[in-house]
Amino acid sequence: GQQLNQSPQSMFIQEGEDVSMNCTSSSIFNTWLWYKQDPGEGPVLLIALYKAGELTSNGRLTAQFGITRKDSFLNISASIPSDVGIYFCAGQLYAGKSTFGDGTTLTVKP
Amino acid sequence: EAGVAQSPRYKIIEKRQSVAFWCNPISGHATLYWYQQILGQGPKLLIQFQNNGVVDDSQLPKDRFSAERLKGVDSTLKIQPAKLEDSAVYLCASSLVPFGNSGNTIYFGEGSWLTVV
Repeated sequence: GQQLNQSPQSMFIQEGEDVSMNCTSSSIFNTWLWYKQDPGEGPVLLIALYKAGELTSNGRLTAQFGITRKDSFLNISASIPSDVGIYFCAGQLYAGKSTFGDGTTLTVKP
Repeated sequence: EAGVAQSPRYKIIEKRQSVAFWCNPISGHATLYWYQQILGQGPKLLIQFQNNGVVDDSQLPKDRFSAERLKGVDSTLKIQPAKLEDSAVYLCASSLVPFGNSGNTIYFGEGSWLTVV
């Protein structure tokens, strides 16, 4: 089946720093999604990307749909303590079925 | 707006026993999903319903897992008999239409945590 490689696996940063994480696949996707999961809760959708090359922002978050349709990245600017959590990328070939990466665990030191 | 409700939140069972999880999606959401999330991994889709019909159950281990959504609203996921490797969080999610069409969002519940000993 389709596999997503998400990196880095974990990050430890200082409050105020910028963060970058990415996701690559050997298969193409029509939609790329980024989620955040806090401990004990379900994932929450942060950004959805529907077109190759698309660059979308949501507050301090910016994500891009790679031109090859096989990758995506997420940037967080000026990190704050509440950014702590696990960030997942997910790709979709068609509506409904998402393939998730294994997540990037973000720790922000005040 | 009420979110996706799941119960129970936590369950510990012995291997070979059975367990059932219940999900009530957001009102009006036609599409319902069950995901399995093993510790340290991303969620994996088990089954997707559109109203009361199954759209995709290709990754559901049908020898031991079953799911239904009889009236097109709430849903039950059952595991019988459970194995040690079934220890995971079972996440239910819903969306207005199959998620992936521009303009709609998928919402996840808090999950049901299963430990099989």
